[in-house]
Amino acid sequence: QSVLTQPPSVSGAPGQRVTISCTGSSSNIGAGYDVHWYQQLPGTAPKLLIYGNSNRPSGVPDRFSGSKSGTSASLAITGLQAEDEADYYCQSFDSSLNAYVFGTGTNVTVL
Amino acid sequence: QITLKESGPTLVKPTQTLTLTCTFSGFSLTTSGVGVGWIRQPPGKALEWLALIYWDGDKRYSPSLKSRLTITTDTSKNQVVLTVTNMDPVDTATYYCARARRSSSWYADYWGQGTLVTVSS
Repeated sequence: QSVLTQPPSVSGAPGQRVTISCTGSSSNIGAGYDVHWYQQLPGTAPKLLIYGNSNRPSGVPDRFSGSKSGTSASLAITGLQAEDEADYYCQSFDSSLNAYVFGTGTNVTVL
Repeated sequence: QITLKESGPTLVKPTQTLTLTCTFSGFSLTTSGVGVGWIRQPPGKALEWLALIYWDGDKRYSPSLKSRLTITTDTSKNQVVLTVTNMDPVDTATYYCARARRSSSWYADYWGQGTLVTVSS
C-alpha cells in the first residue's frame, strides 16, 4: 500500500481540464521532498512528465502542469486530448520509510 | 541519445535468484548527480521502486526488499546489474531500469523498455 494516494480514475471530454491529486503526509510531500509525475501509455514504459514539482522536461506540452501545497501535489491537464489517455503516477521520498515511493496511479479516460 | 535496455531471463522458478542487466548509453554513471535505478510493475498494478545506485557509488534499497536485493555497476561496460534472491510468484512483474537525476527525491528521466519476468515452477 503506497503512502502517496491518487484517485483510481479521472475522466473528461476533449478540450476539458482535469486534475489528478497526490495526497501524502508530513514524512514525504509535507516534509518538502520534490514530487515528480510520470505518464504511462498502454503497454509502454513510463515517461517523465513533471519533475521538481512543476518543471516540464523538454518536449512535454505546456498543457501539463504540476503544483504542490502542504502535504499534497497535483497534476493538471488542460485541453485534454485523446492521446492523453494513460496511467499517471506521482513519485517522491518518504523519510519515515527511508524509501522512494510512487503513488497508487490514476487512469485518465478521454470521453 | 540516451538509451537503456534491460536483459535477463523471462522465466525463473520459485526460490531461484534473478539477475537482470541494464545496459545504457549516452551518459556516464561517473557524472555527478546521475544514477541508475530499478523499478518494477506487477501486471495491472502500480510502479514500485527497488534500488538505486548513484554516481559516487552510494546504493539505496527498498526497505521492504533490502535483504533480497543487490545492485552493482560496471562503469567500463556501462552496465548496472540487479540481483533478487529467493524469487516468489508475487515477484512476477515488468522490471524497468532508468537513469536517475538528483533531487530531494530522485527522478527518472529516461527509462528502458522493461522486461517481463515470470516466476513459476
